[in-house]
Amino acid sequence: QQQVKQSPQSLIVQKGGISIINCAYENTAFDYFPWYQQFPGKGPALLIAIRPDVSEKKEGRFTISFNKSAKQFSLHIMDSQPGDSATYFCAASIIGNTPLVFGKGTRLSVIA
Amino acid sequence: GAVVSQHPSWVICKSGTSVKIECRSLDFQATTMFWYRQFPKQSLMLMATSNEGSKATYEQGVEKDKFLINHASLTLSTLTVTSAHPEDSSFYICSARDLGLAGGNEQFFGPGTRLTVL
Repeated sequence: QQQVKQSPQSLIVQKGGISIINCAYENTAFDYFPWYQQFPGKGPALLIAIRPDVSEKKEGRFTISFNKSAKQFSLHIMDSQPGDSATYFCAASIIGNTPLVFGKGTRLSVIA
Repeated sequence: GAVVSQHPSWVICKSGTSVKIECRSLDFQATTMFWYRQFPKQSLMLMATSNEGSKATYEQGVEKDKFLINHASLTLSTLTVTSAHPEDSSFYICSARDLGLAGGNEQFFGPGTRLTVL
């Protein structure tokens, strides 16, 4: 049973556009929701994370929107650049000592 | 931010041999380390969770006698793939977490180790 569902599987966005990736979770006990960026052959790097006490968090061009009632959260990349082309993973966990549960990933390609 | 290193970054070995991968937290003490494997174009699959000084907890379907994990210190965990076979070829990634850091939930990932078994 997949606890975190991520969509779309792949995404092509024009340079300067907005990239939007969505995730839905099932376990209402989750209280930590990070997004990771991974380039080919590299380990994932934390982009931004949110906890359920806020509905939105922005860091530079990256914004997480969180909807607790719908059990959904999304990543918005504003002014997308070719350098943003990577695979993005959403994840969720319960704060404390539990491992992250990852979505299946979204391959983003930003074309000029 | 916190840095996690892995060694080696890639390794090629013959079928039947054992391979050890090291994961180090360079500037913090990792109370918990995680080991993942990732196949091409797929997500990260958690293999095991290890806490310093105790036995690792393996995920269902992961053979603990094949993937030996040791977390002997707060800065070092090792994964040994014993009697490796071609189907073990994958990208192995570790991550580390310090419960005392910013609420303790952020995981810092290593750069990964590409294992190819011939």
